[in-house]
Amino acid sequence: GDSVTQTEGQVALSEEDFLTIHCNYSASGYPALFWYVQYPGEGPQFLFRASRDKEKGSSRGFEATYDKGTTSFHLRKASVQESDSAVYYCALGGAGSFNKLTFGAGTRLAVCP
Amino acid sequence: GGIITQTPKFLIGQEGQKLTLKCQQNFNHDTMYWYRQDSGKGLRLIYYSITENDLQKGDLSEGYDASREKKSSFSLTVTSAQKNEMAVFLCASSSGTGGYAEQFFGPGTRLTVL
Repeated sequence: GDSVTQTEGQVALSEEDFLTIHCNYSASGYPALFWYVQYPGEGPQFLFRASRDKEKGSSRGFEATYDKGTTSFHLRKASVQESDSAVYYCALGGAGSFNKLTFGAGTRLAVCP
Repeated sequence: GGIITQTPKFLIGQEGQKLTLKCQQNFNHDTMYWYRQDSGKGLRLIYYSITENDLQKGDLSEGYDASREKKSSFSLTVTSAQKNEMAVFLCASSSGTGGYAEQFFGPGTRLTVL
């Protein structure tokens, strides 16, 4: 079945550091790939999506590029802020799946001022 | 815009008890979902519904029942709460069924079983 692997369980950075959170997937065909962000006490929020090879998704300074060759969708941000501290989830969905998503385990980002 | 409301926010139950969680959305979305969130395990799909009175099992449906009597509401029942169980249950909704639409999430119900 489909699966999503996020390599980092926790990431600790200082403000203005560069962020990379690794996401690899296993699925047939061309799944849609998503990033969601969850702040404490809230439900996850959609960050952005990509649905074809080499497509870049971006929002709020975060970006990721769909790479079918390496089955990856790594999240990057050039300069993190303390307000970016949250849990980030990579997810995949696909055509005809009734928008069902398969989520990764999540990566907790802590940014210190 | 719209909002997803989940009640209650916190739920404390006893072992073996049947517990019901409720979710309402005013997006007028067709599809609704229930997820379980455990620390370090991400979100796992329990049930989803693509329209009123429809129910589809997810990967984690054993031990749960669901009900979609109206388009705007989706309930989840824990049929027999397990001792020391702690988890957050998240309700979500999305438009259409094409597989590419974003999901909108509620704030969650935090369950503790004594």
